[in-house]
Formats: sequence, structure tokens, C-alpha cells
Amino acid sequence: QLQLQESGPGLVKPSETLSLTCTVSGGSISSSSYYWGWIRQPPGKGLEWIGSIYYSGSTYYNPSLKSRVTISVDTSKNQFSLKLSSVTAADTAVYYCARPGGIWGQGTMVTVSS
Amino acid sequence: AIQMTQSPSSLSASVGDRVTITCRASQGIRNDLGWYQQKPGKAPKLLIYAASSLQSGVPSRFSGSGSGTDFTLTISSLQPEDFATYYCLQDYNYAWTFGQGTKVEIK
Repeated sequence: QLQLQESGPGLVKPSETLSLTCTVSGGSISSSSYYWGWIRQPPGKGLEWIGSIYYSGSTYYNPSLKSRVTISVDTSKNQFSLKLSSVTAADTAVYYCARPGGIWGQGTMVTVSS
Repeated sequence: AIQMTQSPSSLSASVGDRVTITCRASQGIRNDLGWYQQKPGKAPKLLIYAASSLQSGVPSRFSGSGSGTDFTLTISSLQPEDFATYYCLQDYNYAWTFGQGTKVEIK
């Protein structure tokens, strides 16, 4: 059964770079024709798509975040990663990794604070 | 970017009621739309994929319809465990967009 798990620091300082990794287990990130995505949800607010990546490295980003976002994939580790630069308090959120078909990680809370 | 307009933003209903939530896309998205249910502190759960296909394990009281720009999620008889927030998600052309969410509350 395919499972996703987010990992990374729960606290990031303002102006620094938020870095998260999603580890895929129970299947290969390269074996399907899906884009793998990152989504976030600020406290008490709705869901926002951040961006997606194909195992070949092709990416799509939310235009509102594109200048600060980099998503990469490491097929040897069966992982894909998110970097969000120049963070502010507005980037405080639960961050999820997901794959179409309803497969989501449990989410990880990231707080931006000094 | 494709915009998704979801309505209503909230509704109050009683157990047994029929509930309808709609999403409208700013351009045609074929049937590349899913419906998710989210409960507090939990990741969203897929209910409907490809606009009208019921995800395995999801009760048959949930149904979806629509194609192109207009989509509907219907709960035929609201149950206590259905009080939650619902989101539509389009993944046409690999760029995803969520609706704003509909909070279903107890009347």
C-alpha cells in the first residue's frame, strides 16, 4: 500500500528557507505516471497547492509562490522535496505531500517564528 | 491559472438532510475533479474522483456529477460523521487548484 510521509524542521526563522522531504513507501516514485505534489494549509484556512513534480523532474508551481519555490525529486531515495525561500509568518501552515488518487501524507506543521 | 469557485462556504443541516455543494471552474477541466472531506487535525480524504467515481470504501450516500466547468457533490442523507469541511480539487493540466471549502455544520 502506497504511503507518503513528510519530514523536516517544525520551526523556521523568518527570511530563511523552509525545507521538507516526502518519502514514498510501498511503491516506486518512478513507476507511475503521476505528478507528486505539495499542498499547505495555514491554521484555520483552506488548502493551497504549492507545486508538483514528475519523476523525470518536470515541475509545475503555483504562480503566487513560483518565485520562492523549488521542488526536486530523488528517485534513488524514493523521495521528493520542497524548498520555500524567504519565509514569513504567512508561510506558517501544515504542509502535506500528496499524489492524485487521494494518497496524502499525514501532514507536518511548520511554524515561521524567530 | 484555473480558478475554482466553491459554494456555499458553509451550511447548516440536520441528520438525514440532502446536501449539495457546487464547484465551478474558470475554464473547462473535462472531468479532472475530485471531492475531499477533511475533519479537524486530519489530512483530507478522497471521496469522489474523476468528477463522479466513488472512491473505494466511501459510503454510497456520497455522489458526484458534472463535467467541463460545473460540478456537484451530493450527500443524499447526511449522517453525524459527515459533519466536516469539503473541498473540490481540479488537476487538469498538472496544475492543481482547490475550491475554498464548504463547512458542513450541525443545525
